Amino acid sequence: AQSVTQLGSHVSVSEGALVLLRCNYSSSVPPYLFWYVQYPNQGLQLLLKYTTGATLVKGINGFEAEFKKSETSFHLTKPSAHMSDAAEYFCAVSDPRAAGNKLTFGGGTRVLVKP
Amino acid sequence: EPEVTQTPSHQVTQMGQEVILRCVPISNHLYFYWYRQILGQKVEFLVSFYNNEISEKSEIFDDQFSVERPDGSNFTLKIRSTKLEDSAMYFCASSVGLYTEAFFGQGTRLTVV
Repeated sequence: AQSVTQLGSHVSVSEGALVLLRCNYSSSVPPYLFWYVQYPNQGLQLLLKYTTGATLVKGINGFEAEFKKSETSFHLTKPSAHMSDAAEYFCAVSDPRAAGNKLTFGGGTRVLVKP
Repeated sequence: EPEVTQTPSHQVTQMGQEVILRCVPISNHLYFYWYRQILGQKVEFLVSFYNNEISEKSEIFDDQFSVERPDGSNFTLKIRSTKLEDSAMYFCASSVGLYTEAFFGQGTRLTVV
């Protein structure tokens, strides 16, 4: 079974400051890893994903994440927060062997950006 | 930009009633999914559907739940006899292929009273 833990259900950052959202996973096989963002009253939108290859992946809106197998982590960062980054962020994993492409989500981290 | 659309955005139903949640996936997508999020809890996988059959389902997806693609464009989730604990936000998603990006709808908030 797979599981995802996101450290911190709420994060507050100042505009222009570094955004760091932590994600650790548990999986018996090398997983595929994802970050999704949910803006108010909207669905989940894919920010970035890691499947194979380069462990540092870049996504939309200036976000990036690094897969660290030894630490079973996939932390999300953005060098400079913008007010529009206020949203809830979800880390997710999937099993590449599975037939159904099921995503297992973490609990989410709500980001507040202060002016 | 193509998007997954879900209707209604909010549905209130009485306990024991049947409810059907509707989704229109992106037109060229072949894989379809339902997830739910109970208030304050994680987003949970319910079921995936491909080629007119369920490809994977979770323990949550018991005999009270069913999915259907009735007409080649809609994808529905039916709950036969709703319980209070079925109250949640239900998300539909679709993807082109098995390991490609899943696009999510805005969700249907189901409230069982």
